[in-house]
Amino acid sequence: VQLVQSGAEVKKPGESLNISCTGSGYTFSNYWIGWVRQMPGKGLEWLGIIFPGDSDTRYSPSFQGQVTISADKSTNTAYLQWTSLTASDTAIYYCARRMDNYFEHWGQGTLVTVSS
Amino acid sequence: QSALTQPASVSGSPGQSITISCTGINSDVRGYTYVSWYQQHPGKAPKVLIFDVNKRPSGISIRFSGSKSGDTASLTISGLQAEDEADYFCSSYTRSTVWVFGGGTKLTVL
Repeated sequence: VQLVQSGAEVKKPGESLNISCTGSGYTFSNYWIGWVRQMPGKGLEWLGIIFPGDSDTRYSPSFQGQVTISADKSTNTAYLQWTSLTASDTAIYYCARRMDNYFEHWGQGTLVTVSS
Repeated sequence: QSALTQPASVSGSPGQSITISCTGINSDVRGYTYVSWYQQHPGKAPKVLIFDVNKRPSGISIRFSGSKSGDTASLTISGLQAEDEADYFCSSYTRSTVWVFGGGTKLTVL
């Protein structure tokens, strides 16, 4: 099982962004993929989760409306999207494969830097 | 739901045992509690150590163990080794709140 995330991004406030997470070594459609944020020097925060098989998506109340999670099962890829970034979105974002009630496999992380 | 509460830091000498607490664990309506613990070395992704309160994934050392009493879960690391120096995060899952993480604990091996 491997989750490979897209590379680091540097964006300006107000710009849009789409980062990706591509799974391999398993049937991508059959496992939930979650997204987790880690702001600089801080703890982990769960943003939301998607089931690629039918695109059923759940969001943390703290992030509902702030980000959009999607998936393309034909390319084994999940996405995390912003329409208008702010400086407070600066963080490392991890995707992780759910196993029952925990996250079993993690991507390497994508650093997003938002600065004018 | 607010983040779970962990001590900011703990320390111990090689060979000793340490325990990291995680307070604020809720059970779901059926009374089930799902707690997991993650280890994160600097610049690396988190790695699961414990799930379902006290179960270890394949390949995780028996030096790592988990428990729960009331609303507090605990991670114990026995026989501390230098490689255990890392950040540790607890997480709880319920159907209503879904996933919540703790603020993290930095373990220093003296």
